[in-house]
Amino acid sequence: EAGVVQSPRYKIIEKKQPVAFWCNPISGHNTLYWYLQNLGQGPELLIRYENEEAVDDSQLPKDRFSAERLKGVDSTLKIQPAELGDSAVYLCASSPGRNQPQHFGDGTRLSIL
Amino acid sequence: GQNIDQPTEMTATEGAIVQINCTYQTSGFNGLFWYQQHAGEAPTFLSYNVLDGLEEKGRFSSFLSRSKGYSYLLLKELQMKDSASYLCAVRGPGGSYIPTFGRGTSLIVHP
Repeated sequence: EAGVVQSPRYKIIEKKQPVAFWCNPISGHNTLYWYLQNLGQGPELLIRYENEEAVDDSQLPKDRFSAERLKGVDSTLKIQPAELGDSAVYLCASSPGRNQPQHFGDGTRLSIL
Repeated sequence: GQNIDQPTEMTATEGAIVQINCTYQTSGFNGLFWYQQHAGEAPTFLSYNVLDGLEEKGRFSSFLSRSKGYSYLLLKELQMKDSASYLCAVRGPGGSYIPTFGRGTSLIVHP
């Protein structure tokens, strides 16, 4: 079984530039999560999808962050414009259903200059 | 909300046993997860406890006491590859089933 695939693995941009992350969940997993993880901290939820519907997005800074999951499979997370404080690892996870353990991707490490 | 507390760092010797504790405070409880995360890699699922008691999986065991808001992860016969961060995550009340993660415990195994 292929795992959760994220790209890119690393991204370096200047502040105020836009950036996008892509996630391909495990086949058949209906639930998809985007997390932010700072160094020395646990993952913090940004948004959860059930199929193509976004739920639990209260922690997503909607003034600059957006996400979509077209057709209920792949998902993208976008930041526009990026700020210095957005430097972190962005993790995508999926699970067969919302009450089952999550499988994480390796994440995208974002550095803002 | 939920408050999860676990030690920041622990060290242990190869071949030994180590216990990583996690205490939590939550208005409701729907299960506790343990994940392992090597530096620069994805967290990987280790265990899930929803009822009190001990769950054993090979060298790893996880214990839960709901009345005490307490869990521990027990690692036996430590190997160098066990050096990693161990994340405790608690699933709170409501139907969202989303776990809240602790800061993680960085375990260093030395020869």
